Amino acid sequence: SQQGEEDPQALSIQEGENATMNCSYKTSINNLQWYRQNSGRGLVHLILIRSNEREKHSGRLRVTLDTSKKSSSLLITASRAADTASYFCATRRGATNKLIFGTGTLLAVQP
Amino acid sequence: NAGVTQTPKFQVLKTGQSMTLQCAQDMNHEYMSWYRQDPGMGLRLIHYSVGAGITDQGEVPNGYNVSRSTTEDFPLRLLSAAPSQTSVYFCASSPSDRGSDSPLHFGNGTRLTVT
Repeated sequence: SQQGEEDPQALSIQEGENATMNCSYKTSINNLQWYRQNSGRGLVHLILIRSNEREKHSGRLRVTLDTSKKSSSLLITASRAADTASYFCATRRGATNKLIFGTGTLLAVQP
Repeated sequence: NAGVTQTPKFQVLKTGQSMTLQCAQDMNHEYMSWYRQDPGMGLRLIHYSVGAGITDQGEVPNGYNVSRSTTEDFPLRLLSAAPSQTSVYFCASSPSDRGSDSPLHFGNGTRLTVT
């Protein structure tokens, strides 16, 4: 069963705008990670937030985590056409590195 | 440094045929895993391994076998292919399993069609 659900399923914005994607999960976690997938390629790790953290930044990426609501959001600021990709959240539970992925958000950034 | 290498990139099988999807990593990673990706379903974990000689089942293990005889290689076997196994398969690895926040490193996938 899927641990995470992303919302929205698809998002289309103009270059320069901000993009926000949300992820909800079902059980307690150790950490939550965001990955990007360009068309026809494997996933690439973007950022990781631990269960005791509330916000994390990396370049144009900002991730928040609300463990009471079992949700996370990924904000991409000043988007570029090169940000066009699918974005997935993944959660890690317990001691193992077995990651459970959500269903993904397809982001299209129009030049 | 090649990272995670998957072969073949594309494969077409007939129902009932068997085949092995290859995965190799050159980063000395302990943890390796296989996912399948289907439209609208995200990625689902098939099998994983926390080290040579140790494997375990993920969310959707039926119809697939794995073994881990070396640290570098983690092949996925389809014993008798079915159309429901048409999917894109990804192998992923990370440096260690327990006690770390290691992200996964993914290969570029194998696109499998079963007719």
